[in-house]
Amino acid sequence: ETGVTQSPTHLIKTRGQQVTLRCSSQSGHNTVSWYQQALGQGPQFIFQYYREEENGRGNFPPRFSGLQFPNYSSELNVNALELDDSALYLCASSLGGTHPGNTIYFGEGSWLTVV
Amino acid sequence: EDQVTQSPEALRLQEGESSSLNCSYTVSGLRGLFWYRQDPGKGPEFLFTLYSAGEEKEKERLKATLTKKESFLHITAPKPEDSATYLCAVPLYNQGGKLIFGQGTELSVKP
Repeated sequence: ETGVTQSPTHLIKTRGQQVTLRCSSQSGHNTVSWYQQALGQGPQFIFQYYREEENGRGNFPPRFSGLQFPNYSSELNVNALELDDSALYLCASSLGGTHPGNTIYFGEGSWLTVV
Repeated sequence: EDQVTQSPEALRLQEGESSSLNCSYTVSGLRGLFWYRQDPGKGPEFLFTLYSAGEEKEKERLKATLTKKESFLHITAPKPEDSATYLCAVPLYNQGGKLIFGQGTELSVKP
């Protein structure tokens, strides 16, 4: 049990729609990251938030956006869904920003299927 | 280019048959390496962090080691419940804490 909870666990959307995924970080963790994991692949970094500010972004288009709230919970929003967006979306939390020694804990993920 | 590569992609063992998984990396200024276990349909579960060459960490039947170019995850006398995908990842602290993952090694242990 990592203390990182994600919702929903599974959802199906139609191409062109928008989706919001939610994450509650482990208690006290002020840093949250989002990853996309396609079947048979390792997770790919989308972006990271530290104290409500985005401080790192991977190679994802602007239709992938996020928010971090004062209680450090977070949202991932994806607009104009494409079939290739079908994947497991993982939220990860850690304490203290980006420093060696900070263990990064993952939630169980949200399975998104785009049809 | 920063890169992490794992081998083999899949490994099938008999219960009790020890083996090793490899994670090789090319990153500038390594400041740590993570190992995770991932069960089907689940999120990655943290196993170890290694910080410097020569470091070793153990947990039950697993031992992780680190050199300047690669890390090994040694599995001693595995059991069927060790079956999972094992992922290694390297943090890039100059890129907002981005983790670069390998593609994983899918381990299957048969009784």
